[in-house]
Amino acid sequence: GQNIDQPTEMTATEGAIVQINCTYQTSGFNGLFWYQQHAGEAPTFLSYNVLDGLEEKGRFSSFLSRSKGYSYLLLKELQMKDSASYLCAVRDPRSGAGSYQLTFGKGTKLSVIP
Amino acid sequence: EAQVTQNPRYLITVTGKKLTVTCSQNMNHEYMSWYRQDPGLGLRQIYYSMNVEVTDKGDVPEGYKVSRKEKRNFPLILESPSPNQTSLYFCASSFYGLAGGANTGELFFGEGSRLTVL
Repeated sequence: GQNIDQPTEMTATEGAIVQINCTYQTSGFNGLFWYQQHAGEAPTFLSYNVLDGLEEKGRFSSFLSRSKGYSYLLLKELQMKDSASYLCAVRDPRSGAGSYQLTFGKGTKLSVIP
Repeated sequence: EAQVTQNPRYLITVTGKKLTVTCSQNMNHEYMSWYRQDPGLGLRQIYYSMNVEVTDKGDVPEGYKVSRKEKRNFPLILESPSPNQTSLYFCASSFYGLAGGANTGELFFGEGSRLTVL
């Protein structure tokens, strides 16, 4: 089966750094995604990791360790607009050759306070 | 502009009254999928489609149907809606590529359809 765990809620201060962790146990692995979702809106793509290591994209970075089934999203210089839910999703094979699906974690609701 | 368009965005209906939520994408994506999102449960996949005339069940397919007659459209059909189908629904699409290069296979989501079944 597929199991993805991430904290339910986090609070951080404007201007600070926050790390959102994600652990996963899936039957296979073909990449890990992070999405941002503001309340009532569609998720939007933030980052993608398929190899171990750190991917940096502006204020956002994402790290992956496949051997540990672990990823984190690092947000620097937090801004009020970063208040949102952050979804970890793992792409894994479900059925048949070449068929890959995304399994989403339940999301981490981040509140940025002044 | 590249986008995934869902309609209706909001709908209140009654138990048993058939409804269809349309989804259309203009990016020539092979892969399309429907999700529902409920508090505390996250995004759960209902159905997906790898290409025209190819569909398969996701994790929560009961009570739903889909079709993929054209590449750009992937409607979600609720033949006899029930209150437990009250939810926020998202359609999404992507290129069906594996990892590597500029194609990450990331999902592009529609704006969502909030459905209430009374």
